[in-house]
Amino acid sequence: DAGVTQSPTHLIKTRGQHVTLRCSPISGHKSVSWYQQVLGQGPQFIFQYYEKEERGRGNFPDRFSARQFPNYSSELNVNALLLGDSALYLCASSLVGGDRPQHFGDGTRLSIL
Amino acid sequence: GENVGLHLPTLSVQEGDNSIINCAYSNSASDYFIWYKQESGKGPQFIIDIRSNMDKRQGQRVTVLLNKTVKHLSLQIAATQPGDSAVYFCAEYSGGSNYKLTFGKGTLLTVNP
Repeated sequence: DAGVTQSPTHLIKTRGQHVTLRCSPISGHKSVSWYQQVLGQGPQFIFQYYEKEERGRGNFPDRFSARQFPNYSSELNVNALLLGDSALYLCASSLVGGDRPQHFGDGTRLSIL
Repeated sequence: GENVGLHLPTLSVQEGDNSIINCAYSNSASDYFIWYKQESGKGPQFIIDIRSNMDKRQGQRVTVLLNKTVKHLSLQIAATQPGDSAVYFCAEYSGGSNYKLTFGKGTLLTVNP
């Protein structure tokens, strides 16, 4: 069975640009969460979506936004990119319920020049 | 704020030895915990989880122990193999309407052949 898939795998942008990252969850998983992982640290929660609605938001500025589609796939958008946005962006999917394992994709490596 | 931390940032063991990775958590409301393994260039891979109504759970070559009294979590890996070399994270879920996982910084496990 296919796991969580993310695209693109790598991306290089310059400051001020915007970016859209995509995620397809495991079949049957209706919840999608986004995390940011800076080098040398653990992932930090950005968003969680279920049934196309935002269910949770971490401590990230409004430049970060996301949405979920009827097929449960999701997009993460970041506007006005800053150097500090350089990170690995991870998508995780799970069955409904916070006490269900979240399964991660291999992420999108975003580099800001 | 509440966070999950790890006692040992690095752990080096010989192939065939048992490994123990520790994790301290500070949120007494956390009721679900997950251990992840992250290899270079990949996303976190689910290893094992445990709910707060349990104190021990076993998987294939891995055991997670939970001590709620001292807010401590450990991952034991039996007969450690070179393929076990990776960064290990513990993550906690503290309940609520979102599925936010809070991660620690991780422990780098190196297995020497």
